[in-house]
Amino acid sequence: DSGVTQTPKHLITATGQRVTLRCSPRSGDLSVYWYQQSLDQGLQFLIQYYNGEERAKGNILERFSAQQFPDLHSELNLSSLELGDSALYFCATASVPPGRAEAFFGQGTRLTVV
Amino acid sequence: AQTVTQSQPEMSVQEAETVTLSCTYDTSESDYYLFWYKQPPSRQMILVIRQEAYKQQNATENRFSVNFQKAAKSFSLKISDSQLGDAAMYFCAYYNQGGKLIFGQGTELSVKP
Repeated sequence: DSGVTQTPKHLITATGQRVTLRCSPRSGDLSVYWYQQSLDQGLQFLIQYYNGEERAKGNILERFSAQQFPDLHSELNLSSLELGDSALYFCATASVPPGRAEAFFGQGTRLTVV
Repeated sequence: AQTVTQSQPEMSVQEAETVTLSCTYDTSESDYYLFWYKQPPSRQMILVIRQEAYKQQNATENRFSVNFQKAAKSFSLKISDSQLGDAAMYFCAYYNQGGKLIFGQGTELSVKP
């Protein structure tokens, strides 16, 4: 158990709909990263938050948005869903305490758009 | 900008043998961290091993070890005594103090009995 919790684990929804994926970080982790992984693909970086503020953006579609809340959990919102949005969505959280860095992943949310 | 390259899309190893997965990266920073992650068929991302750039000693975790060549910007993963359960996709990742977490494209490792 990495200590990073993602909900839900599975999600099936129709095209055009909107969904929200949630990520709860490990205690003390201020950074949250969101990645998209389509079948047999690598990890596509979407967005990063640090202590509530957006830090970096990757190839994130305008239909997608995210935020990190004061309690440091994060949500990824996907709207106007298309079949091609079906993928595994991971969040990772990280910390850089003195002398040691760790970045751990949640189990992912498998999104299926039908 | 930092980049991470894994030049071997697929690798194969015989059970009980040793295999090395390659990773190179590009950065102008001196202080950073490098990770190898394993992604088995379950698709869970599992941290296998980490290396701090300021440490000259190569990290080891049981059968997993790295060959970290800072000047060459190379970070390879060696798996000794390969087991069937080692079959997975392996990702190399770069992480810096600014919080960037960048992944290579992955190497698919198969283990033959």
